[in-house]
Amino acid sequence: GQNIDQPTEMTATEGAIVQINCTYQTSGFNGLFWYQQHAGEAPTFLSYNVLDGLEEKGRFSSFLSRSKGYSYLLLKELQMKDSASYLCAVYTNAGKSTFGDGTTLTVKP
Amino acid sequence: GAVVSQHPSRVICKSGTSVKIECRSLDFQATTMFWYRQFPKKSLMLMATSNEGSKATYEQGVEKDKFLINHASLTLSTLTVTSAHPEDSSFYICSARAASGRVYNEQFFGPGTRLTVL
Repeated sequence: GQNIDQPTEMTATEGAIVQINCTYQTSGFNGLFWYQQHAGEAPTFLSYNVLDGLEEKGRFSSFLSRSKGYSYLLLKELQMKDSASYLCAVYTNAGKSTFGDGTTLTVKP
Repeated sequence: GAVVSQHPSRVICKSGTSVKIECRSLDFQATTMFWYRQFPKKSLMLMATSNEGSKATYEQGVEKDKFLINHASLTLSTLTVTSAHPEDSSFYICSARAASGRVYNEQFFGPGTRLTVL
């Protein structure tokens, strides 16, 4: 089976930096996705990490350590519109993704 | 590009009726489509994986006779909730994976269908 853990909720201030962690235990690991989901909407793709290290894409960066079963999503210069749920999902060689329960981020002025 | 649509976006039905939800990839061909359901403040639970032209693969605990999935073409998959009951009320989301030429393994999600069974 697979076990994916993320914090349930986080709060941060507009303009700040926040790091959302995700730990996983799985077999047949291929890569890890991060998605953003606003309430009542479908998830939107943020990043996909296959190799160890940090990948930066604008205000968002994602890090992966395969040996530690650990990833994080880093959001810089937070904006109010970044308030959403952030889902990490593990993609395995079974050809499908398993999602964590998501982290609800609230950005306050 | 990479747009996935779902229809209907919302549906309310009586207990015991069947409801069909369509998932379409509008500008790409999808060899694989996934169906998820999501409960409030919870993540996406994979129900089944459907490959064009073959039977869907259901996850453990998902009743295949209850949730009928058809993937008749490279751009269309349907989910039919048969004899719906109030506990089937949920947010159903499909996603599609492109046949080629996209970010490897990336899934594109539809906007979801809110099903309410009275």
